[in-house]
Amino acid sequence: DADVTQTPRNRITKTGKRIMLECSQTKGHDRMYWYRQDPGLGLRLIYYSFDVKDINKGEISDGYSVSRQAQAKFSLSLESAIPNQTALYFCATSETGGEYNEQFFGPGTRLTVL
Amino acid sequence: AQSVSQHNHHVILSEAASLELGCNYSYGGTVNLFWYVQYPGQHLQLLLKYFSGDPLVKGIKGFEAEFIKSKFSFNLRKPSVQWSDTAEYFCAVTGYGNNRLAFGKGNQVVVIP
Repeated sequence: DADVTQTPRNRITKTGKRIMLECSQTKGHDRMYWYRQDPGLGLRLIYYSFDVKDINKGEISDGYSVSRQAQAKFSLSLESAIPNQTALYFCATSETGGEYNEQFFGPGTRLTVL
Repeated sequence: AQSVSQHNHHVILSEAASLELGCNYSYGGTVNLFWYVQYPGQHLQLLLKYFSGDPLVKGIKGFEAEFIKSKFSFNLRKPSVQWSDTAEYFCAVTGYGNNRLAFGKGNQVVVIP
C-alpha cells in the first residue's frame, strides 16, 4: 500500500535504447518530481510538474523528457540512453502551494546503461 | 536559487558515540529545512523538518536539529548512535512556497557495533 510507487525497480539497458520510468502516487498530490541520485552528488532535480498541464525543467534536464499523463502519473523518458545516465532515479510528490513543502519519495529505480 | 552544503561526507563512529552533521544553506528569504535519511537499499525518508517556531526540532529515532538563522545552518544531532543509524543523511532546503528542494551531497554515516 505504498503511496508513491515506481516501475521498474531495476533496469539494465544498452546505449542508444529508449527507456521509460514510471511513477504513480495515491497521495492525491498535484506536484510531482523526478530526481537522479549519484554517489557523492546528492539528489539533483531533472523535471517537475505542478499539475497535469504544467511541466518544468530542473537543473539537469538534458537527455530526458517527461509526461504527466494524469494527476497520479508522471513518467520519465530517456530517448537515447547513454552510460553516464546510469544512476538511481527517484520520483517524489508534494502538496500544492502553501508553506508545507515536504516531499514524499518513491522507492527508486536503479538504471544501468551499458 | 537555494543551495546546500554538507561537510564531512564520510563519518565513521562507534555505537553510543554522539553524532553531529553540519548543514549550511544559501538563500535570501524564508526557508523550509529538512533532513532526510536513506538506509541501505531504501528510499529517502523524512527525519525531521523545520518550517517556523521553535528552532530546535525533534524528529524520529532520537534525532534533533537546530536552525540558527544568523549562521544559515541546520545541523543534525543525535546524542548516542546505534548500529541501525548507519545510513546516508541529506539536508535539503526550499524557499518559502516555491516547492523546489535543493539537496546537499549527503553524509554517509557508518556506525560500528
